Amino acid sequence: EVQLVESGGGLVQPGGSLKLSCAASGFTFSGSPMHWVRQASGKGLEWVGRIRTKINSYATAYAASVKGRFTISRDDPKNTTYLQMNSLKTEDTAVYYCTRRSPDSAYGNFDYWGQGTLVTVSS
Amino acid sequence: QTVVTQEPSFSVSPGGTVTLTCGLSSGSVSTSYYPTWYQQTPGQAPRTLIYSTNIRSSGVPDRFSGSILGNKAALTITGAQADDESDYYCMLYMTSGLWVFGGGTKLTVL
Repeated sequence: EVQLVESGGGLVQPGGSLKLSCAASGFTFSGSPMHWVRQASGKGLEWVGRIRTKINSYATAYAASVKGRFTISRDDPKNTTYLQMNSLKTEDTAVYYCTRRSPDSAYGNFDYWGQGTLVTVSS
Repeated sequence: QTVVTQEPSFSVSPGGTVTLTCGLSSGSVSTSYYPTWYQQTPGQAPRTLIYSTNIRSSGVPDRFSGSILGNKAALTITGAQADDESDYYCMLYMTSGLWVFGGGTKLTVL
């Protein structure tokens, strides 16, 4: 059974940092591009960024709203991906999901999602 | 910055047919954007319904279908049921190599 379990969310002050983790199981993690998506309360989904696999040099890409502040990484032996968030703003407050891009589609279909972890940026 | 547009809300009668659309603030949606449609109920993670324009995800009933209609991607629900009442999001793969979600459509079945 595929599982994605996020952790690390919490309350942080504006300008602060937080690192989220997403532990994966039930599939070949090292062969799967991983993405992060967030959702503010009562709002829509927002794609945050992605990290490719080793064969693609662990290339990353980010939404304009987080570029330069957020960094995605992965540790394949630990089956874990991370989202390092720096210079946090109140508008970064959201539930953060990690998700796997399905091998069925190179350009979409995030087929498995974690339960999400809440990040609250407030003074 | 290009915005992905969706109807904020839509209503359909039980047993009826509804088509939700996904457009661009500038330009047309084509299969090259690999439209993906997600369904989300409150408190739950999204679930893939359709990807690559018209490929139904595993386990999704065939009353859900995807297409390109004119200059937009479309999700059609035929024979709507009460448990189809959800939020629906489209996602596009942009020429920049990034992904963008639409604002979502809240579907009411009544």
